[in-house]
Amino acid sequence: AQSVTQLGSHVSVSEGALVLLRCNYSSSVPPYLFWYVQYPNQGLQLLLKYTTGATLVKGINGFEAEFKKSETSFHLTKPSAHMSDAAEYFCAVAFSGAGSYQLTFGKGTKLSVIP
Amino acid sequence: DSGVTQTPKHLITATGQRVTLRCSPRSGDLSVYWYQQSLDQGLQFLIHYYNGEERAKGNILERFSAQQFPDLHSELNLSSLELGDSALYFCASSVGSYSGNTIYFGEGSWLTVV
Repeated sequence: AQSVTQLGSHVSVSEGALVLLRCNYSSSVPPYLFWYVQYPNQGLQLLLKYTTGATLVKGINGFEAEFKKSETSFHLTKPSAHMSDAAEYFCAVAFSGAGSYQLTFGKGTKLSVIP
Repeated sequence: DSGVTQTPKHLITATGQRVTLRCSPRSGDLSVYWYQQSLDQGLQFLIHYYNGEERAKGNILERFSAQQFPDLHSELNLSSLELGDSALYFCASSVGSYSGNTIYFGEGSWLTVV
């Protein structure tokens, strides 16, 4: 069964500092991995996804993530935090079987950016 | 804007009542998913439909049901509501039903049961 663990329910960084949000997954098959962002009172927006190929994935708003199979990790990074990055971030692993396809989400990490 | 439309955005209802949440997927998407987001359970998969056919059920209560219509819109019916059903309900859609498809989420329907 697939599962996702996000380390740290709340992360605070200073504006301009590196953002690092951690995600570890468990999957019995090669995983497809996603990061979504949820701004206050809004839906989930896809930041980036890893399916196959290049292990360093670039997404929107300057975010990127690296798939490391040996570490079963898919950490999200951004070199320099902006105030507008304050939101909740969710890592997810895709699961498919019997004609269906669904995402299993981590519990989320709330990012605060300090001016 | 993801292209997934959900109505209503907010809903307040009493315990024991029944409500219907509506979802229009992105143009061209055949798969519709329903997720529940609550403080204690996080984001939980409820159910998946593909082109009108139920494909998978997750943590969906027997009091809840869903369907996808020929025009591909979907409805989630919640009945005999309890206080614990208060949550944000997301509809999402994707073009197909295989891993790697991007799943696009709507802005959600906030349900408050009082």
